[in-house]
Amino acid sequence: DVKVTQSSRYLVKRTGEKVFLECVQDMDHENMFWYRQDPGLGLRLIYFSYDVKMKEKGDIPEGYSVSREKKERFSLILESASTNQTSMYLCASRKGSPYEQYFGPGTRLTVT
Amino acid sequence: GENVEQHPSTLSVQEGDSAVIKCTYSDSASNYFPWYKQELGKGPQLIIDIRSNVGEKKDQRIAVTLNKTAKHFSLHITETQPEDSAVYFCAAWGGTGTASKLTFGTGTRLQVTL
Repeated sequence: DVKVTQSSRYLVKRTGEKVFLECVQDMDHENMFWYRQDPGLGLRLIYFSYDVKMKEKGDIPEGYSVSREKKERFSLILESASTNQTSMYLCASRKGSPYEQYFGPGTRLTVT
Repeated sequence: GENVEQHPSTLSVQEGDSAVIKCTYSDSASNYFPWYKQELGKGPQLIIDIRSNVGEKKDQRIAVTLNKTAKHFSLHITETQPEDSAVYFCAAWGGTGTASKLTFGTGTRLQVTL
């Protein structure tokens, strides 16, 4: 079974802190994604990557950056956390397109 | 870009009844439409999908229908059970090349009551 793991289930950070969210997949998938999930807004794409060291902006990239140094790992970085970045963050991976995306369990980030 | 609208936002049905969730999309070039189920504390999981060359697909108690002309697709759950209670998301695959991606609806919270 494909497994997508995220470094933390819950995270509390202070405004202005640099935050790293990490995602690892074990199925050699080329494509990886970061979404944020907010009530009433569904899943919105922040960034995605089609290959190592490649990254593409999604629909809401402002305030975020990403890093993909290894195929299995995709990191989301909040350079200076703000309260409006309090949300559930979901990582996903996919073999190619258009195929099933496998999601991690999510990280609930609270910025105070 | 693609825009996906999903209705209703909440749905309550009695156990054994049917549930229908509807989505519309804007990009006529979209060609893949998955449905995801998200249980409490978990990430979304694919439950069924349909491609644009198919009008209907069924898997036991769940089915999806696609009307390409009207640009809408629906999820049908029959004989609902308490374990069907979850948030359901529709999505549409659109765009070209590196810009192609899944766009999700806003979700439907389904509550199956005893």
